[in-house]
Amino acid sequence: GNSVTQMEGPVTLSEEAFLTINCTYTATGYPSLFWYVQYPGEGLQLLLKATKADDKGSNKGFEATYRKETTSFHLEKGSVQVSDSAVYFCALIGGSGGGADGLTFGKGTHLIIQP
Amino acid sequence: KAGVTQTPRYLIKTRGQQVTLSCSPISGHRSVSWYQQTPGQGLQFLFEYFSETQRNKGNFPGRFSGRQFSNSRSEMNVSTLELGDSALYLCASRSLAGAHEQFFGPGTRLTVL
Repeated sequence: GNSVTQMEGPVTLSEEAFLTINCTYTATGYPSLFWYVQYPGEGLQLLLKATKADDKGSNKGFEATYRKETTSFHLEKGSVQVSDSAVYFCALIGGSGGGADGLTFGKGTHLIIQP
Repeated sequence: KAGVTQTPRYLIKTRGQQVTLSCSPISGHRSVSWYQQTPGQGLQFLFEYFSETQRNKGNFPGRFSGRQFSNSRSEMNVSTLELGDSALYLCASRSLAGAHEQFFGPGTRLTVL
C-alpha cells in the first residue's frame, strides 16, 4: 500500500534561515502529493500540492517539487519566520497502491522558529 | 464561502459509551472524509462518503461507522468507546472536480475517560 516518510523533528531554526523538510513516498502509479500545515489547536490547512511528475507546488514562500525518479516531495522555504512555527504533514492520495480515496500522511514534522 | 465546520469541538465521554460527531462540508462539496489523529498513530483515514454512500474505508473496527445525508452533511459514530479512541477527529470535504484536494475542518477533540 501507500506510505509516506518524513523527518519528525522537532526541527528548530532561527528566523530567516533556510528550511528543508524531507518527504519520500511509496506508491505505485502517479499519486497526487500535498503538504498540509497544522497550527496548535487547529485542523489541517493545505499548503501546496502537485499532481504530476516535475510539477512544482508553491504558496506563501514554500515550494516543493514532485520528483518521480526519487519518489520525493521535499518542502523548502528560503527565509522562515516565527509565524511558520507549526507541524507540517506530507501526504499523498491516488496512484494504484490502495487508499485511492483517502489521504496517506507522514508522521508530521514539528517546526520551531526562534526569533 | 464558509469552510468545513465540525460540532462539537470538544467531547468528554466514558468507556463503553457511544458518541456522534457531525461535519458540514463546504457548500457544493459532495464528498466527506473522516480522519483520526493521535500522537501515536498519527493521521489515519477512517472512511469517505459521497452521495450518501460509503466509498472507501480505512482499517478501523466496526465500532466506527458513519453516514451522509442528502445535504452532504455527515455524521460519524463510535460505539462502545475505549480509552484508545481518545483523539482529534478531523473531517474533510472535497469537490470531485478537484485534484483530490481536501479541505479540513477544525476537528472534534474526543477524550475517553
